[in-house]
Amino acid sequence: GIQVEQSPPDLILQEGANSTLRCNFSDSVNNLQWFHQNPWGQLINLFYIPSGTKQNGRLSATTVATERYSLLYISSSQTTDSGVYFCAVESGGSYIPTFGRGTSLIVHP
Amino acid sequence: GAGVSQTPSNKVTEKGKYVELRCDPISGHTALYWYRQSLGQGPEFLIYFQGTGAADDSGLPNDRFFAVRPEGSVSTLKIQRTERGDSAVYLCASSSSKSSYNEQFFGPGTRLTVL
Repeated sequence: GIQVEQSPPDLILQEGANSTLRCNFSDSVNNLQWFHQNPWGQLINLFYIPSGTKQNGRLSATTVATERYSLLYISSSQTTDSGVYFCAVESGGSYIPTFGRGTSLIVHP
Repeated sequence: GAGVSQTPSNKVTEKGKYVELRCDPISGHTALYWYRQSLGQGPEFLIYFQGTGAADDSGLPNDRFFAVRPEGSVSTLKIQRTERGDSAVYLCASSSSKSSYNEQFFGPGTRLTVL
């Protein structure tokens, strides 16, 4: 099956800093989502982005499907951005997503 | 509410007991997924329903696990003869699954602890 690797595994930031999270995948994908899992465990949809670039406030994402990676940008980070960020992909026409192991982000005040 | 809901939020049981976990998807969503998440890991797929039928149950770890969705809406995940290794957060997600667009929305999860 498809392999999904996220980097870095852990990230510690000071409030106000910017960061880039990466998701690499081993095969072509038909769907890709970014999620934020907050400290209470809720998975929150950030972007549905199989290709191209999207922006939502301080967050933006870019997927370059031909090069098999996606990037999540967080600008002017806030303490509420803390949590784990997951990338999930679907490939080969499957409706079953494969998740990466996530990037754990801590933002200090 | 408009989101996916799961009950109970927490379940503590003893080894060998039977448990049922419930998921209410977003109204109108035809696709429903169950996942299991262990500490420090991403969600792991268990089973996927399209309408009332299980379209893919390849993620169920063994025959102690079973799920139903009799009317194409609410789903129940059933675990027989629970083992300590079944302790995890069980997540449910739904999607409208229109064409190739498959954005999934997750519920808050049920934390299962088997003593």
